[in-house]
Amino acid sequence: AQSVTQPDIHITVSEGASLELRCNYSYGATPYLFWYVQSPGQGLQLLLKYFSGDTLVQGIKGFEAEFKRSQSSFNLRKPSVHWSDAAEYFCAGMEYGNKLVFGAGTILRVKS
Amino acid sequence: EAGVAQSPRYKIIEKRQSVAFWCNPISGHATLYWYQQILGQGPKLLIQFQNNGVVDDSQLPKDRFSAERLKGVDSTLKIQPAKLEDSAVYLCASSVDRDKPQHFGDGTRLSIL
Repeated sequence: AQSVTQPDIHITVSEGASLELRCNYSYGATPYLFWYVQSPGQGLQLLLKYFSGDTLVQGIKGFEAEFKRSQSSFNLRKPSVHWSDAAEYFCAGMEYGNKLVFGAGTILRVKS
Repeated sequence: EAGVAQSPRYKIIEKRQSVAFWCNPISGHATLYWYQQILGQGPKLLIQFQNNGVVDDSQLPKDRFSAERLKGVDSTLKIQPAKLEDSAVYLCASSVDRDKPQHFGDGTRLSIL
């Protein structure tokens, strides 16, 4: 079955430190992959997407993600975290013609 | 560009009552989605429309949930009768077409007493 797994429920990082949020997928073929961010009481905002081509994808707000087929991973990274990055982050995957499947989310806390 | 609009933002009802949510997608977006997001979980697709036709409603509890997208623009999602386990945030999203990135509204938070 198609699935997306985010192993970390919570992550806490210091402001200015680097960040990596993990995402693993289970699909028969290479899926389309996405990262969304959700602030409290808000909807989901698209950070970046991978459809094909270059495996390092740049997104908004200084985020990037790298698609690694060998590891079935699509981890989200940011070199220096800001307090405003505190939110919940969702990885999602989709095979062409099928529905978007979300991971359970990772809550990011930023300490000053 | 205006985003996806949803109303109401919050709704509190008692179990067995009915409730309806409204969504206005981004102008020109052919595909509209309704998701249910239970606390601590990722969103789960309830129903997907392509224009005014249903593409996928496999996870919609059809004994109590219904949705329509008349004229291929606005959409309503209804629950009747509501159960305690329906407490969740209901998110509407739209995309230019199928398999294109989805844009989300702020959601309706439903509490069932």
